[in-house]
Parts: sequence; structure tokens; C-alpha cells
Amino acid sequence: NAGVTQTPKFQVLKTGQSMTLQCAQDMNHEYMSWYRQDPGMGLRLIHYSVGAGITDQGEVPNGYNVSRSTTEDFPLRLLSAAPSQTSVYFCASSVSSYNSPLHFGNGTRLTVT
Amino acid sequence: GENVEQHPSTLSVQEGDSAVIKCTYSDSASNYFPWYKQELGKRPQLIIDIRSNVGEKKDQRIAVTLNKTAKHFSLHITETQPEDSAVYFCAWTGGGADGLTFGKGTHLIIQP
Repeated sequence: NAGVTQTPKFQVLKTGQSMTLQCAQDMNHEYMSWYRQDPGMGLRLIHYSVGAGITDQGEVPNGYNVSRSTTEDFPLRLLSAAPSQTSVYFCASSVSSYNSPLHFGNGTRLTVT
Repeated sequence: GENVEQHPSTLSVQEGDSAVIKCTYSDSASNYFPWYKQELGKRPQLIIDIRSNVGEKKDQRIAVTLNKTAKHFSLHITETQPEDSAVYFCAWTGGGADGLTFGKGTHLIIQP
């Protein structure tokens, strides 16, 4: 049982490049989400999904896209990377959105130059 | 989501002493309050959680108390040890589909 798996662990992009952060979970969780973590800012929600085929925006969605074609996978796409997107990104999943704990992946450290 | 105010941002205690971190939330509909511990370079991990129908929950040296009237909840760590050094995040959910809102974190330092 791997839990939540994120790839890659580290990534360096140039401004304007695009890329996809991968996230997969094997716990059959309906709810999945993406957070970014910046120093002194805590964890801020980018996008979330309550099930396959359903996605919605969180607190800081600009510059990011998501899709949820299967229960297991929830990739995060950066459309045109900007230095302001330099951050650590965490994918997380849980049984439900409202009263169960989040299980986090190990994170992706992204640097945009 | 609504704001969560977390205090203090940094807390330094002597090994063996107690540590208390407090969070205040704004939405009276909130019903789930977890605490996460994040060690340097690692992912956040759940250490304890409490639901709105309970006032206190304990797990060995860790406890969480909830005051729904005042809209605040606190993490208590007793007999602190060096391995307790980490950043701690409170969070809450108001029952909406957007899940957890996190506080900005408390850096707990255990002095030997």
C-alpha cells in the first residue's frame, strides 16, 4: 500500500515552460487536492476534486489546471510557469472532504527561473 | 475558505516542559479539527484530530481541546522531547467540498 505518490520530487523550469506534476493514490479515496506551501504561508489549496470527473478551484488556482479522469490520479498542470510558482507542492487525498484526515504525498519542490 | 489564526508562530520550550499552540477559526459550521506535524523536508502528517461533538481528546503526550463557543482549539504537548521539534499546523473544515483550511504554522523548538 503506497498511499499517495507524487512525481517528480524536484523540478527546475524556465519561465514560460509548462509541465505536469503527477499524483496517484491507491486507497480508493474519493477526495483529492493540491496544496502549495510557501514559507510563512502555511498550506494553500490550489484545486480539489470530490470524485472522478469533478474538479473545482481552491484559494489560489490561477496558472494551474487539473483533471480527474480516474479515482486514482489527479495531475496538476502548470500552463506557463512563472517565478511566483516556485514552491513546494503537495498532493493529498482523503475519504471525504469534510471530516476525515488528509493523507499527503512526499511533495514536489519546484523552482522557476 | 475562512481564516484560521494560529499562535504563536515560533515557540521555544525546555525539554520536559509543556507546549501549547492555539488556533482560532471564524466559521461556526466547522466540525473537524486536525493537527499536523511537519518535520524539515518532509510531508505533513496527522498527529491528532477532534470532531465538534467532543471537547477534548488525548493520545499519550498529545491532547487537543476544542471550545466551540469561543471558536478556538488548542494542541497540548506534555513532557516535550527533542523529536517533538517540528512545524505544527492546525486545520479545520466547515463541511464544504473544499476540505481543510490550514493555519500558517508554529515552529516548535525543544531546547536541550
